[in-house]
Amino acid sequence: EADIYQTPRYLVIGTGKKITLECSQTMGHDKMYWYQQDPGMELHLIHYSYGVNSTEKGDLSSESTVSRIRTEHFPLTLESARPSHTSQYLCASSDTTKFFNNSPLHFGNGTRLTVT
Amino acid sequence: DQQVKQNSPSLSVQEGRISILNCDYTNSMFDYFLWYKKYPAEGPTFLISISSIKDKNEDGRFTVFLNKSAKHLSLHIVPSQPGDSAVYFCAASRGFGNEKLTFGTGTRLTIIP
Repeated sequence: EADIYQTPRYLVIGTGKKITLECSQTMGHDKMYWYQQDPGMELHLIHYSYGVNSTEKGDLSSESTVSRIRTEHFPLTLESARPSHTSQYLCASSDTTKFFNNSPLHFGNGTRLTVT
Repeated sequence: DQQVKQNSPSLSVQEGRISILNCDYTNSMFDYFLWYKKYPAEGPTFLISISSIKDKNEDGRFTVFLNKSAKHLSLHIVPSQPGDSAVYFCAASRGFGNEKLTFGTGTRLTIIP
């Protein structure tokens, strides 16, 4: 059973629509992340959060926004979807409270977004 | 500029033999390296890691080797099993913090029964 959940798994939506990709984790992890991955390409970090009320932009510039109002929840929103947003979006979490080095990322199963 | 390179997009290996996946990096400041494994329609899962103070780390059938002078790391899987068929991502970071991770493009490993 997955400890980090992403919904929806697949989403096909028209240009200009507002969308929210959901991500929840039940592990109590403090850090959460959003990655974007195109087929055959590397994962790119677009957003991350150190904890509640913390959000930071990643290496890859993204028009999406995130929020972290609760520890377990880290939704990603696109106000106006465009075909260039078509990609796979992967949410991840890690527990940095118990580890002195890099705590491994726990990934969700991803949302494959297609904007027509 | 891609700082972590996996030059082999795919690799096929006979079941029971050794699988060797390679990864090269260009940033000499990287000091922590990881391998993730990804099945279709699932998210990546952590496999094994190594810090730059070591040149080898072993976990069961999986061993990661680090050659700092060559800026090269490799993942050895012995013996290879059908369940090892997946995409393997190499990742590297400078210092602690997953937000500093740089991923490679992945190598698709197929184990032939």
